[in-house]
This record gives sequence, C-alpha cells and structure tokens, in this order.
Amino acid sequence: DAGVTQSPTHLIKTRGQQVTLRCSPKSGHDTVSWYQQALGQGPQFIFQYYEEEERQRGNFPDRFSGHQFPNYSSELNVNALLLGDSALYLCASSLWTGGEKLFFGSGTQLSVL
Amino acid sequence: SQQGEEDPQALSIQEGENATMNCSYKTSINNLQWYRQNSGRGLVHLILIRSNEREKHSGRLRVTLDTSKKSSSLLITASRAADTASYFCATRETSGSRLTFGEGTQLTVNP
Repeated sequence: DAGVTQSPTHLIKTRGQQVTLRCSPKSGHDTVSWYQQALGQGPQFIFQYYEEEERQRGNFPDRFSGHQFPNYSSELNVNALLLGDSALYLCASSLWTGGEKLFFGSGTQLSVL
Repeated sequence: SQQGEEDPQALSIQEGENATMNCSYKTSINNLQWYRQNSGRGLVHLILIRSNEREKHSGRLRVTLDTSKKSSSLLITASRAADTASYFCATRETSGSRLTFGEGTQLTVNP
C-alpha cells in the first residue's frame, strides 16, 4: 500500500523563477492538502483540493496555486519566487468524508537563492 | 496563523523518563491531534482526541484535553532514544475544516 509520495525531494531555484511540486496521495484517498514549513516552525496551511477544486485556502498570496487531477494527484505551483519561499513543502492526503487525520509525504525541500 | 502553542519549545530527558508536552489553542475545536516529525521529514499522526473526550491512551502515549482551559497535554512514558523528534499539536475547528498546527516541541531523549 503506497503512502503519500512527493517529488522532487530537493529543489534549488533563483528569485523570480517558477516551481512545480508534485504529490500522489495515499491509495484510496481523495483529498490533498499542502503545507509550508519554515525551518523551526510548524506547518502552515496553503490550500486543500477535493474533486479537482480548491476547497479551502490559507493566508498565502496568489503566487501560490494548485491543481488536482482526476487520479487525485496534485501539483503546487509557486510563481515569482522570493527568498522567503524557501521551506519544506509538505503534501498530506486524507478522505473527504470522515477522514480526520492526515497522512504526510516526506516533503520537498525548496531553496530559493 | 498558528492556532496552537506548544510548551516547552525544547525538552531534553534521559531514556526511561517520562516526557510531557503541552499545547494551548485559541478557538473552539472539534478535535485535537498530535503528530511527530523526525528531522525535517513528513509528519506522522500519533493520536486524536475529540472535544467531548477528556483522556485517551495509545501504547506509551497518553493525551488529555481540557476544553475549558483550551489546552492539551501529551505524555510519553518510558521514553526511548528513538522518541527523539519534534511533536506538534494540531486542531480542527469543525469537522472537515483545515488542520492548524502549533510551533512544536523538540524532544531529545538521551541514551
């Protein structure tokens, strides 16, 4: 039973560039949430996708966008990268109905230089 | 914004001792969860306690919830070096709403 997988594991970009991170949810899960975790901080909610629609969004600018595909996998896109976007980006999957707990991937470590 | 605040920020104990971490939150909740994270990896769910529950056990873990004080505690008994990790509380205000995490407690268990 495959867990949540994220790619790539590490990424280095320069300011102003764009990045796409990918996530495959745990088998059987239909909901994907994305979190940003700065060093030494707790994860901050970016947004959640279900049925290919953004259902909830945290306090992040429009530079952060996402997509969910029919197979439930998801992408996180960040445009016009800033130094402050450097963080660990975590994907978590769950069930929309009755799924109280989140299953996390190992994350993508993004460094913006 | 962070909903929960963990206390202490860092805790160092010897193997075999008990570790207690506390979490305070600001709004009414549907449930509170504890997660563990090893050195910048993904988080792993440990235990969930609902707003109408006061205490829950899972193996060496004991969680309490006091909704009147808006606080929770996580007790790890007979700690092991492998328990070294960051521990986060997370709250869900209503069923289906986002899970909001605190800042975490870094636990170090010395062999």
